Amino acid sequence: QVQLQESGPGLVKPSETLSLTCTVSGGSISSYYWRWIRQPPGKGLECIGYIYYSGSTNYNPSLKSRVTISVDTSKNQFSLKLSSVTAADTAVYYCARGAVSQYMDVWGKGTTVTVSS
Amino acid sequence: SYVLTQPPSLSVAPGQTARITCGGNNIGSKSVHWYQQKPGQAPVLVVYDDSDRPSGIPERFSGSNSGNTATLTISRVEAGDEADYYCQVWDSSSDHVVFGGGTKLTVL
Repeated sequence: QVQLQESGPGLVKPSETLSLTCTVSGGSISSYYWRWIRQPPGKGLECIGYIYYSGSTNYNPSLKSRVTISVDTSKNQFSLKLSSVTAADTAVYYCARGAVSQYMDVWGKGTTVTVSS
Repeated sequence: SYVLTQPPSLSVAPGQTARITCGGNNIGSKSVHWYQQKPGQAPVLVVYDDSDRPSGIPERFSGSNSGNTATLTISRVEAGDEADYYCQVWDSSSDHVVFGGGTKLTVL
């Protein structure tokens, strides 16, 4: 079955750019919406944005000025870049597959990113 | 932006029924999805499109949606059901996914 795996640095300095990649295995990245979701320590889920396999994107308005999500269909991967990070961006970051009805039926295990000098 | 409201916590004895609510303006007109998240784990989809269950999810989990409230019902609650539960909708006006704040279910 389809599996997702996040990868990237676990520690990022303030004001720098957080970069994560999600690798899709067991299925094609074609079709579906591919999402990034984060969860600050002890808090709820926040959707960062999505990319459709064709390349169209949509971002959370609160993060839009700092977020870029891209897709590499040849590698079956999609990526997140979040610029000018602060301690408030410390969270577990999940990648997930989104269905047409916009529910997330497959999730990665999540990766913890800490913003600290 | 669209807001979903969940009770922060709910306690239920084993064998009883847990009903977790998710409030939103005319939420009955939207498709509601529910996730279970255990400590240290990724969320798992337990109900989608108001009342459908993914394969592998027990029939004890069911959902309903009408008016301004959607409900996740867990029948014959077990200790293993102890988790945080999140409701989620897609706000078509903004093309954004919205999550409720989550409900912590404690099995007494």
